[in-house]
Amino acid sequence: AQKITQTQPGMFVQEKEAVTLDCTYDTSDPSYGLFWYKQPSSGEMIFLIYQGSYDQQNATEGRYSLNFQKARKSANLVISASQLGDSAMYFCAMREPSNDYKLSFGAGTTVTVRA
Amino acid sequence: GAGVSQSPSNKVTEKGKDVELRCDPISGHTALYWYRQRLGQGLEFLIYFQGNSAPDKSGLPSDRFSAERTGESVSTLTIQRTQQEDSAVYLCASSVDVGGTGANVLTFGAGSRLTVL
Repeated sequence: AQKITQTQPGMFVQEKEAVTLDCTYDTSDPSYGLFWYKQPSSGEMIFLIYQGSYDQQNATEGRYSLNFQKARKSANLVISASQLGDSAMYFCAMREPSNDYKLSFGAGTTVTVRA
Repeated sequence: GAGVSQSPSNKVTEKGKDVELRCDPISGHTALYWYRQRLGQGLEFLIYFQGNSAPDKSGLPSDRFSAERTGESVSTLTIQRTQQEDSAVYLCASSVDVGGTGANVLTFGAGSRLTVL
């Protein structure tokens, strides 16, 4: 069964606007960790942000914030004030005990920022 | 080195040949992963090494695939009798395992792009 679902294969956003990337996950573990990674066209994977399942507040890192809705099993990434350099593929990922703490990735969302 | 190093960066081989892909993790990183990424796709888990524990090989797609790791250092992914569907980028990643579901951030290598003709 798919653990991480990213339903948006591709998105366009205007420079300086905000964009929300959807991620839903499936787990029965009470404790788990959620991650977002960015993969530019050059291919490297860059860690963006982390949210623990017991964290009381939504994670933020600069222009990145994670809209964590635990009851809905949703961990959407919000990128504010988009820049041309944000054009990339974005992956949501999860670690959970029942999967031996392996990091499982979603299929990714491609973001293209337009000038 | 400062990052995760993978070699070769590009490999073109003929169907049926064996290939070896190498990963040098960051020193001190006990956890090491191999993932496969086909063109335009997500990351497919292959194998996971954690310290001296038995590796988790549950993601290896067939018995043509194998991987070894020497202690907490270099890992080699071997693909025997390569097939065209093996063409992909093979990504290695390592981390300091903080245990549990904490912020166990993976550092990825640049990948090895394999093309099987």
